[in-house]
Amino acid sequence: AQSVAQPEDQVNVAEGNPLTVKCTYSVSGNPYLFWYVQYPNRGLQFLLKYITGDNLVKGSYGFEAEFNKSQTSFHLKKPSALVSDSALYFCAVRALDTGRRALTFGSGTRLQVQP
Amino acid sequence: EPEVTQTPSHQVTQMGQEVILRCVPISNHLYFYWYRQILGQKVEFLVSFYNNEISEKSEIFDDQFSVERPDGSNFTLKIRSTKLEDSAMYFCASSERVTGITQPQHFGDGTRLSIL
Repeated sequence: AQSVAQPEDQVNVAEGNPLTVKCTYSVSGNPYLFWYVQYPNRGLQFLLKYITGDNLVKGSYGFEAEFNKSQTSFHLKKPSALVSDSALYFCAVRALDTGRRALTFGSGTRLQVQP
Repeated sequence: EPEVTQTPSHQVTQMGQEVILRCVPISNHLYFYWYRQILGQKVEFLVSFYNNEISEKSEIFDDQFSVERPDGSNFTLKIRSTKLEDSAMYFCASSERVTGITQPQHFGDGTRLSIL
């Protein structure tokens, strides 16, 4: 079975400061990892993915994520937060080496960026 | 940028009634999915669909649920006899099929289903 843990329900950060939203995962075999963002009354918007290669992946809106195989983590980061980054962030995983395409999501982390 | 579109945005239905949620996936995508999110809970996978058949389904996707691609553009989720616990936000998603490269799923804005 695959699972995702997002240990923080909410992360508060001041505008201009760096942010980190944490995610750890469990999956059989190699993971295929994603971050999605959800704004109020909207669907899940794809931010970035990790399949293989460089452990630091870059995505939309200046976000990046660092894959750490030994810690089974895939934390989302941004060097300088904007108020407009305030939203709900979801980490998701699926096993890369199977025919299954179902994503397993974490419970979400609400990011609040204060001006 | 192409989008997945879902209709209606909000559906209110009496318990026991049938409901059909509609989705128009991105036009060149070949994999289609339904997920749901009960208020305050995780996004949960329901079903995936490829080549006109279900390729994968979760335990949630029991006999009261069905999916269909009635034409070249629409993808529907039918709930035959709705229950109170079916109240949730239902998201449709689609992804490309590109040999050797797995593409991310793109989601619609969802249909909020309220069962009374």
